[in-house]
Amino acid sequence: DTAVSQTPKYLVTQMGNDKSIKCEQNLGHDTMYWYKQDSKKFLKIMFSYNNKELIINETVPNRFSPKSPDKAHLNLHINSLELGDSAVYFCASSPERWRSTQYFGPGTRLTVL
Amino acid sequence: QQQVKQSPQSLIVQKGGISIINCAYENTAFDYFPWYQQFPGKGPALLIAIRPDVSEKKEGRFTISFNKSAKQFSLHIMDSQPGDSATYFCAASMRDRGSTLGRLYFGRGTQLTVWP
Repeated sequence: DTAVSQTPKYLVTQMGNDKSIKCEQNLGHDTMYWYKQDSKKFLKIMFSYNNKELIINETVPNRFSPKSPDKAHLNLHINSLELGDSAVYFCASSPERWRSTQYFGPGTRLTVL
Repeated sequence: QQQVKQSPQSLIVQKGGISIINCAYENTAFDYFPWYQQFPGKGPALLIAIRPDVSEKKEGRFTISFNKSAKQFSLHIMDSQPGDSATYFCAASMRDRGSTLGRLYFGRGTQLTVWP
């Protein structure tokens, strides 16, 4: 009964490929996020959705495209992968739009060769 | 520009000692200050949080001290245990102008090691 789940846990791929990471939460939250954690463990928000609507879209390359088919799912598709995309990607959800605990998934470690 | 500055980068404490991690911010629009704990291979998890109208919040061995005038806040871990060894992130949240959503800005993390 994992609260926020992500698949896959590990993703190893070649430069130039396209890949997707899936996220699902069973907490009934309206708000979901994607974060990138770099090799120095710095966490930075990439996107945020509220009830399937894109709210925050940080300055990330447009090779990254989030998609929210319903409010329990937020997927991340990455086109034309580059070496610099190697990182751990975390999905998170929160029950409120503001001043609220964010519940993080276990992360997806992406390695681009 | 780093919105939240965290120090130290790493901290080694003897079992039973006090661990102290400090954070500072500039933007007075921040109105919620959580601390997250991350174990290797796991996602961050909320440890404790404070709002700026309170100067201190304690939950078990974990205490946040908040100094609004100095724009600083810190995490104190009393009686530190080897199981506390993890990376700790301070964060600050505010709503962007025109947005209905709060955004979290994280510090760069502190790697805490508690020796038995």
